[in-house]
Amino acid sequence: GAVVSQHPSRVICKSGTSVKIECRSLDFQATTMFWYRQFPKQSLMLMATSNEGSKATYEQGVEKDKFLINHASLTLSTLTVTSAHPEDSSFYICSARVPGTSGTEAFFGQGTRLTVV
Amino acid sequence: AQSVTQLDSHVSVSEGTPVLLRCNYSSSYSPSLFWYVQHPNKGLQLLLKYTSAATLVKGINGFEAEFKKSETSFHLTKPSAHMSDAAEYFCVVDLWGQGGKLIFGQGTELSVKP
Repeated sequence: GAVVSQHPSRVICKSGTSVKIECRSLDFQATTMFWYRQFPKQSLMLMATSNEGSKATYEQGVEKDKFLINHASLTLSTLTVTSAHPEDSSFYICSARVPGTSGTEAFFGQGTRLTVV
Repeated sequence: AQSVTQLDSHVSVSEGTPVLLRCNYSSSYSPSLFWYVQHPNKGLQLLLKYTSAATLVKGINGFEAEFKKSETSFHLTKPSAHMSDAAEYFCVVDLWGQGGKLIFGQGTELSVKP
């Protein structure tokens, strides 16, 4: 199946700094990618839909200035957590689906464990 | 509106016994449904999917699920649990016409006792 690679898998940063997480589709072109956040023992919460060449679509309650999304190419989307604070500590997961195939599975990255100290 | 509900937050079984993880969905039309598994601090792996073909869907690692429209259910089963099955399981519904968004159930943690 298709592969989505997410990097880094784990990152620790100081409060006030910014952290960038990359999500790549390795063997297909993804015009749309999705970013999720997962708190311990909870389900995945969709944060935003990343659209290649245009602005991301954020879900209600997600701060677009805090979570910057860039989808500069058909194989790469990035999520930047700006001015991180301890409450931003979480597990972030990206996913992508092969374009033009409704009902097909989504492929997920390995996730990034962000810890803000 | 579409939604998905996993009826059990935690299920515990003994190794070698059957597994049943329950999922109910709400949709105004026939949905695409998925079961994903997540091991600790890992991404999600697809177990199986239903996309309006056969109602009994077989997946990887011996799992299967049956789509029952009359009951709006898509329960996940496995005849015999293995220790390696211990993980978090998510029932997921596809939001047609909304750019490929998925709605996740709350998740069911499966524990397998020796």
